[in-house]
Amino acid sequence: GAVVSQHPSWVICKSGTSVKIECRSLDFQATTMFWYRQFPKQSLMLMATSNEGSKATYEQGVEKDKFLINHASLTLSTLTVTSAHPEDSSFYICSARHPGQGVETQYFGPGTRLLVL
Amino acid sequence: RKEVEQDPGPFNVPEGATVAFNCTYSNSASQSFFWYRQDCRKEPKLLMSVYSSGNEDGRFTAQLNRASQYISLLIRDSKLSDSATYLCVADPSGGYNKLIFGAGTRLAVHP
Repeated sequence: GAVVSQHPSWVICKSGTSVKIECRSLDFQATTMFWYRQFPKQSLMLMATSNEGSKATYEQGVEKDKFLINHASLTLSTLTVTSAHPEDSSFYICSARHPGQGVETQYFGPGTRLLVL
Repeated sequence: RKEVEQDPGPFNVPEGATVAFNCTYSNSASQSFFWYRQDCRKEPKLLMSVYSSGNEDGRFTAQLNRASQYISLLIRDSKLSDSATYLCVADPSGGYNKLIFGAGTRLAVHP
């Protein structure tokens, strides 16, 4: 079946550094990918919709200059958390929509746990 | 008000029990609804879609009441492996997969 991978699965960094998370669709070309964030015991919150070859669409309250998204190819989207701070520590999950399948077919990556010290 | 609201639980039930989860959504424009399952520290996985006519998949039954903006999930004959967090999800974007997740309901099935 379709697989979406994320790298790294874990990252610990110092406050003020930037962290890049990669999301790859391994079995299909994804024109649209999504980035979510989940704090402990809370729901997944959509951060932005990543469209191949165009600018990402950010949800209200998500700073586009802080969370840089690049969807340079049909199989890769990256999220860069710039100047990370402890409050950015969270579980970041990407997903990719399979273009040829139904609306419910959104494949999630395994997530990246970010801890900012 | 949250767009998708769920009782956080936890629901602690014995094996073999029947358990029901409820969910309400606020955006009447939402067209598609789903139940996802999320295990601890893992990504969510689609459990089933929810249709107005109701749908069943083995021990799982999902129902949608558009008039009340209410979604339910019924699990019969609970198994230990059903222990997880169940996420109620709405897609208000008309099929573009902009999913809105509820905070989830925790289920713990014990022997």
